[in-house]
Amino acid sequence: DIQMTQSPSTLSASVGDRVTITCRASQSISNWLAWYQQRPGKAPKFLIYKASTLETGVPLRFSGSGSGTEFTLTISSLQPDDFATYYCQQYDRLPLTFGGGTKVEIK
Amino acid sequence: QVQLVESGGGVVQPGRSLRLSCAASGFTFSDYGMHWVRQAPGKGLEWVVVIYYDGSKKHYIDSVKGRFIISRDNSKNTMYLQMHSLRVEDTAVYYCARDYGAGATSPDYWGQGTLVTVSP
Repeated sequence: DIQMTQSPSTLSASVGDRVTITCRASQSISNWLAWYQQRPGKAPKFLIYKASTLETGVPLRFSGSGSGTEFTLTISSLQPDDFATYYCQQYDRLPLTFGGGTKVEIK
Repeated sequence: QVQLVESGGGVVQPGRSLRLSCAASGFTFSDYGMHWVRQAPGKGLEWVVVIYYDGSKKHYIDSVKGRFIISRDNSKNTMYLQMHSLRVEDTAVYYCARDYGAGATSPDYWGQGTLVTVSP
């Protein structure tokens, strides 16, 4: 199985900060990577697919990059709605696997 | 708009069975693969199983193989997860999710989840 490792596991930031989350795959997954946002008690929300393609309706302050084994999710200017947990997920091969999550907290 | 509504969760003893349902609306159900993804209390997301758009292919994580069975009825826009021989470690919120395509890629739309608690 492909292991997905996210860092950091927790991130403290303020409104307006630029935030970057890293996701590493245990083997190359090309650009078959998605990002999700999950607020407490809610279902995950699909943000980005193919490593860098923004899902319709997702604010432009979110961006993704990377290929192979290293990927990043960047929020250019953190907004109050963005305090949540973020997960990466590979779909290069089954079983689909998720990273352990990065919780973005208010500093 | 896409809507996915899970039902069937509850409290069950280890070794017993439970069937989850996922009712879909707002899209052509028979065009999309469908997933179950679970989340244990306070933990991360774990993909469980996928069924392709026509039901021809199904893939499970190893820990549920031989115990869980996924199925779909495209005439009823509904997907099912039959869970047998439940274990304490199966306790989780189970999310039904639509695949971005016809097979197994990324879940894009998710239901609100149904809680399954396996407890003696």
